[in-house]
Amino acid sequence: EAGVVQSPRYKIIEKKQPVAFWCNPISGHNTLYWYRQNLGQGPELLIRYENEEAVDDSQLPKDRFSAERLKGVDSTLKIQPAELGDSAVYLCASSLGGGSTDTQYFGPGTRLTVL
Amino acid sequence: GEDVEQSLFLSVREGDSSVINCTYTDSSSTYLYWYKQEPGAGLQLLTYIFSNMDMKQDQRLTVLLNKKDKHLSLRIADTQTGDSAIYFCAEITMNRDDKIIFGKGTRLHILP
Repeated sequence: EAGVVQSPRYKIIEKKQPVAFWCNPISGHNTLYWYRQNLGQGPELLIRYENEEAVDDSQLPKDRFSAERLKGVDSTLKIQPAELGDSAVYLCASSLGGGSTDTQYFGPGTRLTVL
Repeated sequence: GEDVEQSLFLSVREGDSSVINCTYTDSSSTYLYWYKQEPGAGLQLLTYIFSNMDMKQDQRLTVLLNKKDKHLSLRIADTQTGDSAIYFCAEITMNRDDKIIFGKGTRLHILP
């Protein structure tokens, strides 16, 4: 069974440019998460989707970040415009449901470098 | 203090046992996890333990939970070079709407 797929794996952009990341969760997983992992830190949740609904976006910087999961399957995370501090690894994860008993499975991440 | 704390580095000789420790603050934790992250890769779930358990063993991995002290440990027996990675302790709690909280990770270095 395929795991969580993310693309691209690496992205280098100049500040003020837009960037988008794509995630395809494990088939049948209703819950999708986007995390940001700064260097030397653990992942921090940006947004959580239950099907197509964003149920927790409290940590998403809404002035420049946006996300969508239109059909409740794959998802896109966008940053516009990117800032130097956005350099990080962006991880996508999925789980069957969003409860505490549902294990999250992570993709390989997209490493963003903003110059 | 931080919700989930881990020491940042651990060096172990190949063949010895590695013990990675973690402390957490939220007594309403339901599940506690250990994830492994190799360079350039995402997080791989290694094992998890439910908060009403004291111990869980899975091949070379042993997880010990001391709920009174809010202390979690991961023991890797017969440590191999392939175990070199960053290990993240994480908890999921009802107090935070089932949000998973990660520690900063412990980098395990294997000495020949």
